[in-house]
Amino acid sequence: DAGITQSPRHKVTETGTPVTLRCHQTENHRYMYWYRQDPGHGLRLIHYSYGVKDTDKGEVSDGYSVSRSKTEDFLLTLESATSSQTSVYFCAISPDPGLREKLFFGSGTQLSVL
Amino acid sequence: GENVEQHPSTLSVQEGDSAVIKCTYSDSASNYFPWYKQELGKGPQLIIDIRSNVGEKKDQRIAVTLNKTAKHFSLHITETQPEDSAVYFCAASRGAGTASKLTFGTGTRLQVTL
Repeated sequence: DAGITQSPRHKVTETGTPVTLRCHQTENHRYMYWYRQDPGHGLRLIHYSYGVKDTDKGEVSDGYSVSRSKTEDFLLTLESATSSQTSVYFCAISPDPGLREKLFFGSGTQLSVL
Repeated sequence: GENVEQHPSTLSVQEGDSAVIKCTYSDSASNYFPWYKQELGKGPQLIIDIRSNVGEKKDQRIAVTLNKTAKHFSLHITETQPEDSAVYFCAASRGAGTASKLTFGTGTRLQVTL
């Protein structure tokens, strides 16, 4: 999966608890993204990063925060998980600086909030 | 913002037949149109993409066509095989800017029957 490792692969948590998902890349690409996938909605952008400590919001960023202290790691945090955040979360990278829309995705994290 | 509609939501074809999936987009400034294939339990995989200065692109059994005037693009799979069974997503983007801003369709579940 394009040198991307997501962890954990599966997570079950309770409403109100904090959750952090990790995305690790091996190629030092500048751009990294977090998407969520839900039936009937396709993939929607949560947050993205264009460098260490450089991040910005996507279309569904409410309830999520991100951090990127190292080029290779991009963390997604749910400060207080809600049932509406039950979803499959995908990390993606843009390996081509000349075509940043060309994304490659990781294998995903299935998150269930009970 | 951009809106991408994808049809049909499910498609069943017999092995060896052709399959066509269609997408329409709303933003006339969109200029990049990728297609992703997602197998069960895996992340989306880029299978073909097209830029707005090209009307058609082929890669073996897969082709994508683009009609900028009508703002729609299609994925064509010929001589379908059981391994083509998956969920397919179209997407559109108006350009890199600071990062990828892909808007995805809601997906088409393709079932290739023997």
